[in-house]
Amino acid sequence: DTEVTQTPKHLVMGMTNKKSLKCEQHMGHRAMYWYKQKAKKPPELMFVYSYEKLSINESVPSRFSPECPNSSLLNLHLHALQPEDSALYLCASSQIFIWTGGDTEAFFGQGTRLTVV
Amino acid sequence: DAKTTQPNSMESNEEEPVHLPCNHSTISGTDYIHWYRQLPSQGPEYVIHGLTSNVNNRMASLAIAEDRKSSTLILHRATLRDAAVYYCILLVGNKLVFGAGTILRVKS
Repeated sequence: DTEVTQTPKHLVMGMTNKKSLKCEQHMGHRAMYWYKQKAKKPPELMFVYSYEKLSINESVPSRFSPECPNSSLLNLHLHALQPEDSALYLCASSQIFIWTGGDTEAFFGQGTRLTVV
Repeated sequence: DAKTTQPNSMESNEEEPVHLPCNHSTISGTDYIHWYRQLPSQGPEYVIHGLTSNVNNRMASLAIAEDRKSSTLILHRATLRDAAVYYCILLVGNKLVFGAGTILRVKS
């Protein structure tokens, strides 16, 4: 199984709502990532988890709250978002790049398309 | 973060080879060169990676310059399904950071 599964595929939420995005992988990968992608732009790294611990936060606003409850699951909790947060949110997983020296590949999910109204 | 430079867009005819260039003059000795592509409405997909030697897999070939300051992704016979944005990436620590990428258009 080389899949990264993201749910839901689409989400519309109001600015006062709380919602969560979910990401799951069963490849035994110990690094998991959240990216944000606006239309016609490259994916932007948001968070990196290594061994279920947050290792990188790319100065993401606190209205985005990541969580890694176990080695297979990654969540992104959303609260009080703004319309400009509307984007495709991508999850990825890999072996730990530092561990392998970069000699490994990352697997991406199909993303959750989020619209904030 | 280590930087890569790619052309904004390229065009190819179907069934012909495509050479996608990437410059990475700030590369360090241990940085792997990764290529990913993103088809419309999909998540990025791994294509190939390498360190010093040229690499081949079922999708593509990667040619790395001797000084490692540039590389070229080679699609041997482009198909319409290869139309995508191709990203050349240098890993920095545990970070896979995307640059602007090259939009590849394939004409039938």
